Amino acid sequence: QSALTQPASVSGSPGQSITISCTGTSSDVGGYNYVSWYQQHPGKAPKLMIYDVSNRPSGVSSRFSGSKSGNTASLTISGLQAEDEADYYCSSYTGSILDVVFGGGTKLTVL
Amino acid sequence: QVQLVESGGGVVQPGGSLRLSCEASGFTFSSYGMHWVRQAPGKGLEWVAFIRYDGTNKYYGDSVKGRFTISRDNSKNTLDLQMNSLRAEDTAVYYCAKVGSIRAAARGGFDYWGQGTLVTVSS
Repeated sequence: QSALTQPASVSGSPGQSITISCTGTSSDVGGYNYVSWYQQHPGKAPKLMIYDVSNRPSGVSSRFSGSKSGNTASLTISGLQAEDEADYYCSSYTGSILDVVFGGGTKLTVL
Repeated sequence: QVQLVESGGGVVQPGGSLRLSCEASGFTFSSYGMHWVRQAPGKGLEWVAFIRYDGTNKYYGDSVKGRFTISRDNSKNTLDLQMNSLRAEDTAVYYCAKVGSIRAAARGGFDYWGQGTLVTVSS
């Protein structure tokens, strides 16, 4: 169960767009459309932002979008706002013996 | 509204045992798979275990396989995690999380999470 690879940190100014990548293998990200993204503020539980690659739960801002190409999934946040500053984690179903694997997390700083 | 409330965390010595519980409300518990996810202090999320909606299948992460046991009681809307042979590296906040899609394992993501319960393994 190797963790998915995410950049340790990204930053952007208010109003800008940023993209966080999540790289796995053909056994996880590339093999299934079950990639999710979670936002976590300090001391809080994670919050689902994107599920099944590109679906947004009700209540999540349309500024958040997800996509996938090959073994890499991406989370894009447009129109950055101060409240978006948080840690972001991707996860993927891996299929074999029903494993779920998370990325190492990306700290987003809004400058 | 959906609520997941964990309990049972605390301080335990290496080699000891602890049982975590997660009380669910606001949805048809018996229709959804449930997961445990943990987060060591200052670290990222780590998947721990999954149990199917009907309790017939259970899966574990490599780091806890053989030591932890996930279970559920659909009549009481509760999810448990029995943790044995605890190690220092098991120190973490443990979250229970609900699968987003009915009768699924991972489809729909983890749409609701509890507030977490802290387990500290230390002598």
